[in-house]
Amino acid sequence: DAGVTQSPTHLIKTRGQQVTLRCSPKSGHDTVSWYQQALGQGPQFIFQYYEEEERQRGNFPDRFSGHQYPNYSSELNVNALLLGDSALYLCASSLEEGTDTQYFGPGTRLTVL
Amino acid sequence: AQSVTQLDSQVPVFEEAPVELRCNYSSSVSVYLFWYVQYPNQGLQLLLKYLSGSTLVKGINGFEAEFNKSQTSFHLRKPSVHISDTAEYFCAVSDRAGGSYIPTFGRGTSLIVHP
Repeated sequence: DAGVTQSPTHLIKTRGQQVTLRCSPKSGHDTVSWYQQALGQGPQFIFQYYEEEERQRGNFPDRFSGHQYPNYSSELNVNALLLGDSALYLCASSLEEGTDTQYFGPGTRLTVL
Repeated sequence: AQSVTQLDSQVPVFEEAPVELRCNYSSSVSVYLFWYVQYPNQGLQLLLKYLSGSTLVKGINGFEAEFNKSQTSFHLRKPSVHISDTAEYFCAVSDRAGGSYIPTFGRGTSLIVHP
């Protein structure tokens, strides 16, 4: 049973560019959440998707957007990249019923130069 | 709004010694509490969680935590650590009233186990 997978593992972009990160949830899970983990910090909630809609959003600007597909996989898009967007981006999946337990992927390390 | 304070950024300890990682939270409502572990270059893994019931919660890998409502604490303990426990540990809190389970994380405590 595959857990949460994310791609790519690492990514290097320059300021102003756009980036798309991808996540496949654990088998059977229908809810996907995205987090940003800056170096030396705990993860910060970006948003959560369920039934292809953004259900909740954290304190992140509109440059951060997402999508969920019918197969429950998800994308995180960041436009107009800033140096401060450099971080580990974590995807977590859960069941809509019983979302107290989230399963995290290994993350995508984004470096903005 | 809720917040989490992990009182120690780094905890060095010798192998087979006991360890306690401290966590205090702030919330105006009832909460759910979690401890996650992050090994190098990996995502987060749930160690244990408190939702309701017994205040002493047992998790994986021999870890346990005690919910203390009066002191708003949820400290993590292990009676005897191994080298393999070296990792980053995160305490998290979510709002029971909201029912959304979206956790707010602390800044993490780096547990370093020396041989």
